[in-house]
Amino acid sequence: AQSVTQLDSQVPVFEEAPVELRCNYSSSVSVYLFWYVQYPNQGLQLLLKYLSGSTLVKGINGFEAEFNKSQTSFHLRKPSVHISDTAEYFCAVSDQGGKLIFGQGTELSVKP
Amino acid sequence: DAGVIQSPRHEVTEMGQEVTLRCKPISGHNSLFWYRQTMMRGLELLIYFNNNVPIDDSGMPEDRFSAKMPNASFSTLKIQPSEPRDSAVYFCASTRGWDQPQHFGDGTRLSIL
Repeated sequence: AQSVTQLDSQVPVFEEAPVELRCNYSSSVSVYLFWYVQYPNQGLQLLLKYLSGSTLVKGINGFEAEFNKSQTSFHLRKPSVHISDTAEYFCAVSDQGGKLIFGQGTELSVKP
Repeated sequence: DAGVIQSPRHEVTEMGQEVTLRCKPISGHNSLFWYRQTMMRGLELLIYFNNNVPIDDSGMPEDRFSAKMPNASFSTLKIQPSEPRDSAVYFCASTRGWDQPQHFGDGTRLSIL
C-alpha cells in the first residue's frame, strides 16, 4: 500500500528566508508525486508534479521539488518566501489508477 | 473556463437530517473524486468515479453515505441520517487523466448540530 509522510506539521519562517517542506513516501510500484497548496477557505491547487524524467521539478510561485528515489523523498523548496506563501502544503502520491494519497499537510507560516 | 463548482458552500443542519452536497466537474474531465477534510483525519478520499462509474468507494465511512454520478456533469454526495461527527469540509475534484492534476472545488463546509 502507498503512504505519504510529511515530517513537519508546522514550519514557521521569516520573509525572504529559504524553506524546505519534507515529504517521504512508500510504494511498491512506480510513483507519481505531487505537491498541492491550500489557501484558507479554498480548495487545493497544484504546485508541481513529478511523473518521470528530470528529478528536479519546477512549479508555480518559485517552488521546486526534487525526487530522490533512493531516499523515497520528494521535498519542496523555495529559496526566498513571501508573506503570501502562508498556506497549507500537501504532498501526494498516485499510481496509474489516478487515486491520490495525501500526506497530513504542513502549515507554512511566513512572518515579516 | 469555469472550475469545479460545489454547492452549497456552507450547510448547517441538525443531526438526523438528510444532507446533499453537489458537484459540477470541469467539462471534459472524466474522473471525479469526493474528499473529506477534518483537523483530526486530514484529507481523506471517500469515493471516485471514472466515466460516471464508481471505481473505489472504500473510503466511504458507512452506509449513511452514498454518492452518485448520473451524468458527466453532475455528482452528489448524500448523508442520511447525518451525525455531528460528519461535520467537515467536503471537496470535489476532477481530472482528465491519472497524469493530470486534480482540480478542486472550493468545498462545502458542513456543520451538523
